[in-house]
Order: sequence, then C-alpha cells, then structure tokens
Amino acid sequence: GAVVSQHPSWVICKSGTSVKIECRSLDFQATTMFWYRQFPKQSLMLMATSNEGSKATYEQGVEKDKFLINHASLTLSTLTVTSAHPEDSSFYICSASDSGRAAETQYFGPGTRLLVL
Amino acid sequence: KQEVTQIPAALSVPEGENLVLNCSFTDSAIYNLQWFRQDPGKGLTSLLLIQSSQREQTSGRLNASLDKSSGRSTLYIAASQPGDSATYLCAVTPGNQFYFGTGTSLTVIP
Repeated sequence: GAVVSQHPSWVICKSGTSVKIECRSLDFQATTMFWYRQFPKQSLMLMATSNEGSKATYEQGVEKDKFLINHASLTLSTLTVTSAHPEDSSFYICSASDSGRAAETQYFGPGTRLLVL
Repeated sequence: KQEVTQIPAALSVPEGENLVLNCSFTDSAIYNLQWFRQDPGKGLTSLLLIQSSQREQTSGRLNASLDKSSGRSTLYIAASQPGDSATYLCAVTPGNQFYFGTGTSLTVIP
C-alpha cells in the first residue's frame, strides 16, 4: 500500500528557532498534501493544503508566515515552523493524496512530535 | 462549519465484549466518512471508508454504518481484543478537507 513518511519523528528545540518537518510519499506521486496539527487529547485540525508547484492554502487562524509550507515536488512537502514558541508544541501529521480531492483516499504519515522549550 | 462529535470520549471493556462507538456530524452534505485508528504517539490508520451513498462497510470484526440524514455513524467492533486498544477517530469530508472528531479512547482489558 501507499506509504507516507515524516522526518523527524520527534524534535526538541529552543524557543525562537525554526524547525523543518518533511513529508514524503514513498511509492506514489502526491498531487496534494495536507498538514494537520493535534494538541494533546484533541483531534486533528487541518492547517493547510498544498498542491505541487503552487502556494499552500491555509485554514483560518493559521499564520502563513509562521508555518511555511513548500510542496516543490510530487513526493515531498515541507512544513517549517519559524521562530517556534512553546505554544507551537504539538503533534504534526501530514497526509498525501494522489488526486486533487480529499474525498479520495488520503495516506497519513506517522507524525512528528515537536516540543519547544 | 462542520462539527464532528464522538461519544464516549473513553471506553474500557473486558476482552471478548462487543462494543459500539458513536460519531455525529452537523452538516449532512458529506462526500464520505472514514473511521481511523490512532495508536499513542502514532499517525492514523484508515479502518473503513463509507461513501455518502452507502449505508455500511465491513472489514473483519469491524462494521461501520452511516445515516447521513441524521448525521450519525457507528463503528461496531465484535469480540474485542487487547490489540484493539487505541483511539478511534471518525472524519467526514465534503470533498475538499477532513473534519475530525475528538476520538474515543478504547481500552480492552485482557
């Protein structure tokens, strides 16, 4: 089956630093990738949708200048948390679809746990 | 805005018992509904996908039903096993993004 990987699986950083998270589709071409954030004991909240070669679409309340998303190829999307603060500590999960609609099957990555000190 | 609610938030059952997890959503204009499993600190595993035109889907010991008009779905797990212990999430999509519920944390006691 389709596999999506994320790297790193967890990261600890100091407040004010930037952190980059990679999401890769290993055996299929992902025309669309999605980034979710999950706080403890809460559900996943969609942050942004990115299509290869175009700018990401951010959900309301998500700062595009703080959460930089790049989807430069059909197998890789990156999320950069700029000037991270403790409140950015969360579990970040990406998913990938080989079609342009979330109605089709999305394959989820294993997630990246971020802790900002 | 679509809101997805799951009841109960947590459930603990002895091994072998049958159980039902509930999911409700406020906007019936959905394209499909999916049930996922999430193990602690892990990503999501898709369990069952029900298209809006379908009433139920089955996979092994799992059966999911969908009543779109009433905005409800249930996930039935037969003969529960300790390995079923996880958080179960339902999610609906109108076609462009997923709306997730808050999940039901299931513990199956050996």
